[in-house]
Amino acid sequence: EAGVAQSPRYKIIEKRQSVAFWCNPISGHATLYWYQQILGQGPKLLIQFQNNGVVDDSQLPKDRFSAERLKGVDSTLKIQPAKLEDSAVYLCASSLDPRGNSPLHFGNGTRLTVT
Amino acid sequence: GIQVEQSPPDLILQEGANSTLRCNFSDSVNNLQWFHQNPWGQLINLFYIPSGTKQNGRLSATTVATERYSLLYISSSQTTDSGVYFCAVGTSGSRLTFGEGTQLTVNP
Repeated sequence: EAGVAQSPRYKIIEKRQSVAFWCNPISGHATLYWYQQILGQGPKLLIQFQNNGVVDDSQLPKDRFSAERLKGVDSTLKIQPAKLEDSAVYLCASSLDPRGNSPLHFGNGTRLTVT
Repeated sequence: GIQVEQSPPDLILQEGANSTLRCNFSDSVNNLQWFHQNPWGQLINLFYIPSGTKQNGRLSATTVATERYSLLYISSSQTTDSGVYFCAVGTSGSRLTFGEGTQLTVNP
């Protein structure tokens, strides 16, 4: 089966600019996640969707970050305006079980550099 | 929230050696997963193991949920095993919390 697809692979922007990331989960997976991974740290959950609905966005900086999952499939994560500290790898993941109690599968990530 | 502690933080092995990585967590969980992040940054799911023991080739994992720890065993290590190993834990329906990882280097 095809894995989790993400694009772009790399992105370099200046601070205060906006950027968007796209994710297509594994077919049939109900739960979709966006994680932020700063160099040298473990991934940190930004937002979790179950089908179309948001399950957990408690760690999403809502003043600048937004995410949506249209029709319960693809998802986009947007940052506007970007700050230097947003430089990180943004990882999308999906799992089959609606409550997340099944293996998590990650995409290859988008490496964002904010200058 | 749940605290996750992984040990050791760094591990250097010679090819062919065995190793044990540990994950301690602060609260009851019913979701525990081990991941390998290779040097190119790709995160691969190794085990979904909220309890019990599983084996996959040279890798095996054991979770003792009542004592709040999990172990990942790597036998006959190979250079391709190098990378960072993460443990992630959570309760049903809640977010998975990742540890800080164990950086493994396997030398030829």
